[in-house]
Amino acid sequence: DAKTTQPNSMESNEEEPVHLPCNHSTISGTDYIHWYRQLPSQGPEYVIHGLTSNVNNRMASLAIAEDRKSSTLILHRATLRDAAVYYCILQSIIQGAQKLVFGQGTRLTINP
Amino acid sequence: DTEVTQTPKHLVMGMTNKKSLKCEQHMGHRAMYWYKQKAKKPPELMFVYSYEKLSINESVPSRFSPECPNSSLLNLHLHALQPEDSALYLCASSRGQLNQPQHFGDGTRLSIL
Repeated sequence: DAKTTQPNSMESNEEEPVHLPCNHSTISGTDYIHWYRQLPSQGPEYVIHGLTSNVNNRMASLAIAEDRKSSTLILHRATLRDAAVYYCILQSIIQGAQKLVFGQGTRLTINP
Repeated sequence: DTEVTQTPKHLVMGMTNKKSLKCEQHMGHRAMYWYKQKAKKPPELMFVYSYEKLSINESVPSRFSPECPNSSLLNLHLHALQPEDSALYLCASSRGQLNQPQHFGDGTRLSIL
């Protein structure tokens, strides 16, 4: 399985943008890049995903490098509720089913 | 509130017990997943069911036995577990089409004595 590499932790201030990096140098051409986040005592929550083009939704933006070996999750204006572990994930298709391989995650702290 | 419901929330069992974890969703999703998460580690995929058929088994020991009785229900039967099997067990579901987001439950925290 292709792997992702993320910083262990990051810190930011409330109402400022946050850029969470992820390296995936062994990504294959058909792997999608997903981001999920996990708050304490909860299951992971979907944030965003993409293949080649940059993606935007109401929660965040995903910027994918042209060679697809790295990506960045952008939270445009962080709030205290965005404090969580953010996972960068490669999704492959195995025997017609979706397989997510989670990275180690970045613990994001938001300062008031 | 999560749309994937897992029961029980907590389970303590001995190594000789047999128990089952249950997962239910009513979103019409046709793919369901079991993950295992150890403390301070990311979730690891165990099993995937697609249209009620087992599609992926990540070489999970036979003491874990999954079952998908219908498209809304997913069970994980446990027998003769080891202390190292203590973990948070997460269930997820997604639409049948590929590349769709997964919706996770809040998990069952399992402790093996």
